[in-house]
Amino acid sequence: KAGVTQTPRYLIKTRGQQVTLSCSPISGHRSVSWYQQTPGQGLQFLFEYFSETQRNKGNFPGRFSGRQFSNSRSEMNVSTLELGDSALYLCASSLAVRGSGEKLFFGSGTQLSVL
Amino acid sequence: EDKVVQSPLSLVVHEGDTVTLNCSYEVTNFRSLLWYKQEKKAPTFLFMLTSSGIEKKSGRLSSILDKKELSSILNITATQTGDSAIYLCAVGGATNKLIFGTGTLLAVQP
Repeated sequence: KAGVTQTPRYLIKTRGQQVTLSCSPISGHRSVSWYQQTPGQGLQFLFEYFSETQRNKGNFPGRFSGRQFSNSRSEMNVSTLELGDSALYLCASSLAVRGSGEKLFFGSGTQLSVL
Repeated sequence: EDKVVQSPLSLVVHEGDTVTLNCSYEVTNFRSLLWYKQEKKAPTFLFMLTSSGIEKKSGRLSSILDKKELSSILNITATQTGDSAIYLCAVGGATNKLIFGTGTLLAVQP
């Protein structure tokens, strides 16, 4: 069974641009979560989608948005990029919405550098 | 505000040593505590501990949950260079989202 797939693996953008990251969950998994990882801050929760609906949201500005498609694939968009958005963005999938004890399976992430 | 704190932030040991990593939490309506290993990019699942399962063991790794002290430890015995990684602790609670600690960076020297 294929794991969680994230594209692209690396991305370099300049301030003010926007970016879209993609995540394909494990087949059969309906929940997709996004995390931002920076040195010293650890993994910060961005949002979670289940059956195309956002079920949970972290404390990030409105420049960060996401969506989920009917095939459970998810995209994350960041508009008006800032230098502080440079980070590893991790996507994780699970069978059900968190709270039922489901463990997350992570992709290899997209390393975003904002110049 | 829910919080997960890991200690130490980093440590260096030699092959064969035993290490203990700590995780403490303040989470409303605790549901589960999970340990992950992150070697390069993708964190990989190690253990999940809940009220009904407070101790887990797999090979040289083991973990215990102390619900009274609101903490957990991850033990690694007879460490190997392949154990070098960031070890992440995450806790699930009432908010239905996993709260991660900043991780412990473990370096095992030959």
